[in-house]
Amino acid sequence: ETGVTQTPRHLVMGMTNKKSLKCEQHLGHNAMYWYKQSAKKPLELMFVYSLEERVENNSVPSRFSPECPNSSHLFLHLHTLQPEDSALYLCASSPLGGANTQYFGPGTRLTVL
Amino acid sequence: GQNIDQPTEMTATEGAIVQINCTYQTSGFNGLFWYQQHAGEAPTFLSYNVLDGLEEKGRFSSFLSRSKGYSYLLLKELQMKDSASYLCAVSSHAGNNRKLIWGLGTSLAVNP
Repeated sequence: ETGVTQTPRHLVMGMTNKKSLKCEQHLGHNAMYWYKQSAKKPLELMFVYSLEERVENNSVPSRFSPECPNSSHLFLHLHTLQPEDSALYLCASSPLGGANTQYFGPGTRLTVL
Repeated sequence: GQNIDQPTEMTATEGAIVQINCTYQTSGFNGLFWYQQHAGEAPTFLSYNVLDGLEEKGRFSSFLSRSKGYSYLLLKELQMKDSASYLCAVSSHAGNNRKLIWGLGTSLAVNP
């Protein structure tokens, strides 16, 4: 299944680095999501974009900056991260309306040193 | 508050049947999802229930009781490849926003 792709799959960065995560969906969906998945915690919704407009920002620190240039692409720009930001970052997309079933990418395993 | 509860871990034997329960308390309800997630991989969609009753899809079935705030995922004829985490999520709404509230997941180990 290559409906939602994410790059890179693994990323190690220092606290002073700047990096970006990329997500692309090939499903014709109009909503895209960033989630953080940490051990022993439920999936944490970070940002939601609907028709390229940010509709939700769940009190995410400003060191995470999302960008949605079009309905197929979503980025998460990272700068001055903390070690506790180490986690699996998952991108998902869904159609608008109906059940809004979300389809996930494989994730980026991020380690902050 | 909003809360999803499911067991942390379960173990079962190849060829057997296992039932994974999920109870929820949410503001607003637009349906309940089950996802499967293998270690290091993306969660993949298994089922969606919005009306009470049982939905069967091959070896997997999902049940919902809205009045009890309860769902279960039933896996039959277990295979080794079914070893994974099973995530329960409720679609809840607040105003015009619809979001998924996620459980912690149930880690299922299938033994030979």
